[in-house]
Amino acid sequence: KAGVTQTPRYLIKTRGQQVTLSCSPISGHRSVSWYQQTPGQGLQFLFEYFSETQRNKGNFPGRFSGRQFSNSRSEMNVSTLELGDSALYLCASSFSGSTGELFFGEGSRLTVL
Amino acid sequence: QKEVEQDPGPLSVPEGAIVSLNCTYSNSAFQYFMWYRQYSRKGPELLMYTYSSGNKEDGRFTAQVDKSSKYISLFIRDSQPSDSATYLCAMSLIQGAQKLVFGQGTRLTINP
Repeated sequence: KAGVTQTPRYLIKTRGQQVTLSCSPISGHRSVSWYQQTPGQGLQFLFEYFSETQRNKGNFPGRFSGRQFSNSRSEMNVSTLELGDSALYLCASSFSGSTGELFFGEGSRLTVL
Repeated sequence: QKEVEQDPGPLSVPEGAIVSLNCTYSNSAFQYFMWYRQYSRKGPELLMYTYSSGNKEDGRFTAQVDKSSKYISLFIRDSQPSDSATYLCAMSLIQGAQKLVFGQGTRLTINP
């Protein structure tokens, strides 16, 4: 069974640009969440989607947005990039109704110059 | 102050040692407690999942939760070089929650 797939794995952007990251969950998983991981703040929850609806949102500015498609694939977008947005962005999926184990992808490493 | 505190280490121990990793938290509403392991350049993977106070054992790993002290621990017995990774504690308010609150993570190295 394929795991959570995130693309691209690495990308470099400059301040002011925007970026879109993609996540394909494990087949059959309908819940997808996004996390930002930085050395200073650790793993921080961004948002959660289930059946194309955002169910929960973390404490991030409106520049961070996401969506989920009918096939459960998800994208997140960061607009007007800042240097502090440099991080590893992790996507996780889970089977709704389970005990809650999150299956993480390997992440998309974003560097903002 | 962070909601979940975890010593980032690094922690270096010889092979075969017993490793103790700990987290403290401030929100008494947390009910579900997890330990994730993250290898370099990989995503975190779930190691242990516990509900409320008590102990849970799985092979060489034991998770302890003390809700009265707001303190959780992970013990690794007979540590192996393959256990070298970053260990993250995580907590949630409800079962099945996708929104987890993570500790900073402790970087552990097991020396052969």
